[in-house]
Amino acid sequence: GQQVMQIPQYQHVQEGEDFTTYCNSSTTLSNIQWYKQRPGGHPVFLIQLVKSGEVKKQKRLTFQFGEAKKNSSLHITATQTTDVGTYFCAGRMKAAGNKLTFGGGTRVLVKP
Amino acid sequence: DVKVTQSSRYLVKRTGEKVFLECVQDMDHENMFWYRQDPGLGLRLIYFSYDVKMKEKGDIPEGYSVSREKKERFSLILESASTNQTSMYLCASSPWDGDNQPQHFGDGTRLSIL
Repeated sequence: GQQVMQIPQYQHVQEGEDFTTYCNSSTTLSNIQWYKQRPGGHPVFLIQLVKSGEVKKQKRLTFQFGEAKKNSSLHITATQTTDVGTYFCAGRMKAAGNKLTFGGGTRVLVKP
Repeated sequence: DVKVTQSSRYLVKRTGEKVFLECVQDMDHENMFWYRQDPGLGLRLIYFSYDVKMKEKGDIPEGYSVSREKKERFSLILESASTNQTSMYLCASSPWDGDNQPQHFGDGTRLSIL
């Protein structure tokens, strides 16, 4: 079936350091969305990328969509304790009837 | 702000019971979704609906059914609950132009089947 793989599954980060989580699809995506789920909370939409090679920034978060529209990344600079949570990518594939297919998520733990 | 409300935060049921999970959204969204969330597997789509009385199977519909009698309400039914259906269940909604809209999630129902 159509798959969206996300790595790493867990990320332990020292406060102040940078990290990146990666999302890879088995097929070309129409677009990709990123969500953040705080511990005990529900997924909250962060951003959507549509165009090949697109880069968007939200303060310390940088989102990138690959040229082939089969992968994406989220880079966080100067990690803070407020960044704790699980980050999900969710790709939309024409072959899957344009449903969102979620990756397994990257759970981020921040060491003060 | 969009509000998606799930009827229960925690639910404990027994094997073989018929279980109803309810979801209500207040933004007149056409699309509604039911996912289950398990560690390491992300969110997997069970069923979704584009309109009243319409339903479509997601990736893991086996053992589940749904009902959408009113636009604001989408119910997930476990016909005969089994222990492998113990999970976190998340409901979401989005406007008609779903291809370019975010999904708005409820707080989830953590369901335990004993």
